[in-house]
Amino acid sequence: NAGVTQTPKFRVLKTGQSMTLLCAQDMNHEYMYWYRQDPGMGLRLIHYSVGEGTTAKGEVPDGYNVSRLKKQNFLLGLESAAPSQTSVYFCASTKGLPSYNEQFFGPGTRLTVL
Amino acid sequence: RKEVEQDPGPFNVPEGATVAFNCTYSNSASQSFFWYRQDCRKEPKLLMSVYSSGNEDGRFTAQLNRASQYISLLIRDSKLSDSATYLCAVNRDDKIIFGKGTRLHILP
Repeated sequence: NAGVTQTPKFRVLKTGQSMTLLCAQDMNHEYMYWYRQDPGMGLRLIHYSVGEGTTAKGEVPDGYNVSRLKKQNFLLGLESAAPSQTSVYFCASTKGLPSYNEQFFGPGTRLTVL
Repeated sequence: RKEVEQDPGPFNVPEGATVAFNCTYSNSASQSFFWYRQDCRKEPKLLMSVYSSGNEDGRFTAQLNRASQYISLLIRDSKLSDSATYLCAVNRDDKIIFGKGTRLHILP
C-alpha cells in the first residue's frame, strides 16, 4: 500500500495563478483532511470530507476550494493564488472518526507563491 | 485562548536526560487526545494516543488530566533520534485540532 500520496511535491506559482493539489489514499478511508503548516503556526485545518461527495470548512477555508468526487481522492484548489498561501500543505486520512482512528498524513506539498 | 496550546521550545536536552512536555486544551467536551511526532521537513506521524488512565510505550509515557485540561508526554533516557517536533492533538467533533508543536533537540 502506498498510503497517502500527494501531487505535486513542490510548486512555485505567480500571484493570480490557479492550481490543484491532489491527495490520494489507497486505504479505503472515509475521512480526508487538508491542512496547511506555516512556521510558528502549527497545522491548521483548511477543509475536510467525511465521505465521498461531502466537504466541509475547517479553520482557514478562505481562498481554497475542495472536491471529493471519488472516495480515494481529495482535491484542493487555489483559484487565484496569493503570497499568503505560501505554505506546506498536508493531506491526511482516517478510516473513521478521527477520535478513534489514527490520522495518516501524506508527505506534503511545498507551495511558494511569488 | 487557543484551543490547544503548547510551549514552542526549543528544548535543548542532553542525551540520556528525561524531558517532559505539557499541552493544555480549552474544549472540555474533547474526548480523544494524541501526541504526534514530526521530523524536519516530514509529515506528522502518530506517536501515541493518550488514555484516561495514562499509558506507556517503552521510554514514552503519556498522561491526561481532565480536571485541569492538560496532557503530558514524558520521554525517559532520551536518544539523539528523539530530536523532532512533538505535536499535541485533541478532537473536536469530527476534526482533530493540533497545537503548534514543541521542538526538542537532544544534545550529544
